[in-house]
Amino acid sequence: QKEVEQDPGPLSVPEGAIVSLNCTYSNSAFQYFMWYRQYSRKGPELLMYTYSSGNKEDGRFTAQVDKSSKYISLFIRDSQPSDSATYLCAFGGGSYIPTFGRGTSLIVHP
Amino acid sequence: EAGVTQFPSHSVIEKGQTVTLRCDPISGHDNLYWYRRVMGKEIKFLLHFVKESKQDESGMPNNRFLAERTGGTYSTLKVQPAELEDSGVYFCASSQGQDYNEQFFGPGTRLTVL
Repeated sequence: QKEVEQDPGPLSVPEGAIVSLNCTYSNSAFQYFMWYRQYSRKGPELLMYTYSSGNKEDGRFTAQVDKSSKYISLFIRDSQPSDSATYLCAFGGGSYIPTFGRGTSLIVHP
Repeated sequence: EAGVTQFPSHSVIEKGQTVTLRCDPISGHDNLYWYRRVMGKEIKFLLHFVKESKQDESGMPNNRFLAERTGGTYSTLKVQPAELEDSGVYFCASSQGQDYNEQFFGPGTRLTVL
């Protein structure tokens, strides 16, 4: 079983839609949960970072962590064409090196 | 403030040749990391420098890869000789501290080995 499972997509939605991106993980040692956004030909950029179960909100973005189910989500409200990118989940378990998912490609069309 | 820069942005070489990738971290960042993403796979850690010292090189795939960070500033990653499976995008990141949320990534170098 892979440590991190993330559907690569692509996920195509109309502008204004609510987007839900998800990852599952198997490593119980993961205590830190991150979402990165990566635009084409750019490096990953940290979008959300949390270390507890529950929700964390930042503007149009909400990160949700369910440690009991080993499941994390990123919700994007009122999605915009500028949100089109690859979204990578990542996990940390005590070292400073994140374990990444494969990324989900999101396309928001006008 | 300039971000992490990497050079070249894209390199195409033939199997057996040598390639050197360069990373310039954000000024003042003692920590420098190299990662690699092979097509269709996850981003994987290669190694970590603290200043000029290798803190962790557990992710280096084999001895064809050599990373240096002389003087604790920029870093180079040399692949010699390159093999087909080395193709991918090589990312560099830097940070001041060692928390997960402190790493800033460069745009990556896309390496194609033919």
